[in-house]
Amino acid sequence: EAQVTQNPRYLITVTGKKLTVTCSQNMNHEYMSWYRQDPGLGLRQIYYSMNVEVTDKGDVPEGYKVSRKEKRNFPLILESPSPNQTSLYFCASSAGTAINEQYFGPGTRLTVT
Amino acid sequence: GQQLNQSPQSMFIQEGEDVSMNCTSSSIFNTWLWYKQDPGEGPVLLIALYKAGELTSNGRLTAQFGITRKDSFLNISASIPSDVGIYFCAGAVKKSSGDKLTFGTGTRLAVRP
Repeated sequence: EAQVTQNPRYLITVTGKKLTVTCSQNMNHEYMSWYRQDPGLGLRQIYYSMNVEVTDKGDVPEGYKVSRKEKRNFPLILESPSPNQTSLYFCASSAGTAINEQYFGPGTRLTVT
Repeated sequence: GQQLNQSPQSMFIQEGEDVSMNCTSSSIFNTWLWYKQDPGEGPVLLIALYKAGELTSNGRLTAQFGITRKDSFLNISASIPSDVGIYFCAGAVKKSSGDKLTFGTGTRLAVRP
């Protein structure tokens, strides 16, 4: 089954404790992206990647890092999480380098206390 | 970070009515996209628009890419209860590093049977 998986689905952590949210897709998609969703603000793009070793900042990259060492994986790293990073995070992937149909993962709800 | 102005914020309509929502921006986009998000799920692509002036339909949905490339609208005709959800517009800018996506803040639609 074609899908985007994210882990963990739910995470409660404390300020400053490094964490990684994994994202993996099995569709051989080139384009992958991370978004955060906050009430009243919609989705905001954090980082995107058009292919292996090619990443760029979205609108809200501060406090996040990403890497794209393999085509299928695109982990999101929070080196020192802060409470303002409490949010619902979505990973997505699409074929090609253009914005074709993006397949979204199920979301990761992160709480930083 | 940049965001699109999407209106209205919410709509509460009678089943069978038509719905219209729009997005405006101060920036030009290469692509406009419309997504729908159901509770607890990631967004799903409804319509993609690739050229200024383009008018595209998908069943009861019709969307247009504004000729100035700074706006787009989505119409839903003869609404039904399963149209309930949050609708997001998104504009994409093509960069050498890939497509950077900016989302609107969403229109929450409720349909009264």
